[in-house]
This record gives sequence, C-alpha cells and structure tokens, in this order.
Amino acid sequence: DQQVKQNSPSLSVQEGRISILNCDYTNSMFDYFLWYKKYPAEGPTFLISISSIKDKNEDGRFTVFLNKSAKHLSLHIVPSQPGDSAVYFCAASANLGDNLFFGTGTRLTVIP
Amino acid sequence: DSGVTQTPKHLITATGQRVTLRCSPRSGDLSVYWYQQSLDQGLQFLIQYYNGEERAKGNILERFSAQQFPDLHSELNLSSLELGDSALYFCASSKVGDEQFFGPGTRLTVL
Repeated sequence: DQQVKQNSPSLSVQEGRISILNCDYTNSMFDYFLWYKKYPAEGPTFLISISSIKDKNEDGRFTVFLNKSAKHLSLHIVPSQPGDSAVYFCAASANLGDNLFFGTGTRLTVIP
Repeated sequence: DSGVTQTPKHLITATGQRVTLRCSPRSGDLSVYWYQQSLDQGLQFLIQYYNGEERAKGNILERFSAQQFPDLHSELNLSSLELGDSALYFCASSKVGDEQFFGPGTRLTVL
C-alpha cells in the first residue's frame, strides 16, 4: 500500500532549464510534506518542506507546490545545475515529527 | 554531514545470524527513527523512539527489535536473518516538531 507515489523513476534536464519532479499521495491525513535529496552512498538530505496550510514554499532555486484537492505536490528547481543530479524522494507525514512515508524516488540527471 | 552517525557502514553476514546496527543522533535530538530501504524502493519506516521510549511502530518484523539508551543513541537488532533482509538501514533524528535528519546508512548484505 504505497501512500506516497512518484511515478517518474527518472528525469533528464539540460543545465539551466527547469526541473519539475512530481509526487502524489493518497492519505488525506497527511499534513506535512518534505523533499529529500540523496546521493549514492549517503543518507537522504532534507531539501524543502511545506505544510498543508500553504500552497507554495520557496527556498532559493527550489520551490515546492502543493495542490491538496488533487493530493499532488511538485518540486521545481530553477535553474537546474549538474550538482542537482541525485535521487529525489518525496515524503509525507500527518504531523511534523511523525514517521515519514516515502515515495520510491525520481532520479534527476542534469546534463551540462 | 547531517550530524547523525551510523555504524557500521557495511555488514556482511549469513542467513540465520543476528546483527546490531548502531545510531548516534544529532546533539540535542530526542527522537530517533529507523527506516529500511530495499533495492529500488522508497524508505520504509520501522520504528521511532523518543527520549528512550518507543513512540511509533511501522512494518517492523518480530525478528527485529530496537532500543534507545539513556545517552540517546539507538540500536536496531536484526535476528534470524533472511536473504530478504538485505537492504540499507537508515537512522534519522529530530528535535520535537522538526524535520528529520538522516545518517549515512548501514548496508546489510545477508548471504
């Protein structure tokens, strides 16, 4: 029972262009959403988060959009850089501090 | 560097054996979480401890157990190991109401 889904296993983008990573969830009890970035042989690194009272949160080149009615969120990276190449995981929880439900990840490759 | 440490980095063992994975949380973090990542899967929540007490349990097998000690470090014990237990095991820690920060993981290989 996958409550958080990332339907695109991979994404390739040219350097300087926008990367859009998508995530869907099924549990309407989720109120807090996070994106983590993972390099090989490292643990996930927290990137950006959003609570359900907002529909957008921005941090530098990274913006997360939340559409609660569609149970969908997306991560926009603008402009994309080669160092952004990694696996990106979407995660959700009912409350901040609760255990996280993760998607299966999207491997982003930014082509120089 | 997240500040969360995990030992060992790699562990190779045989079926039927028992292993212990160790996690030291970030300074000041009272919550510790354990997650399992099997091949090409997302992270699956196993168990959470808060200040020494079990707080939440996920899909953790009965063969697995964990504890958090007074110094807040945590150990995940895996026993009667099976081939399917081969995975990456991540520990995360957080302050109350804060994001989770992950350690580098322990890669367990069961032969």
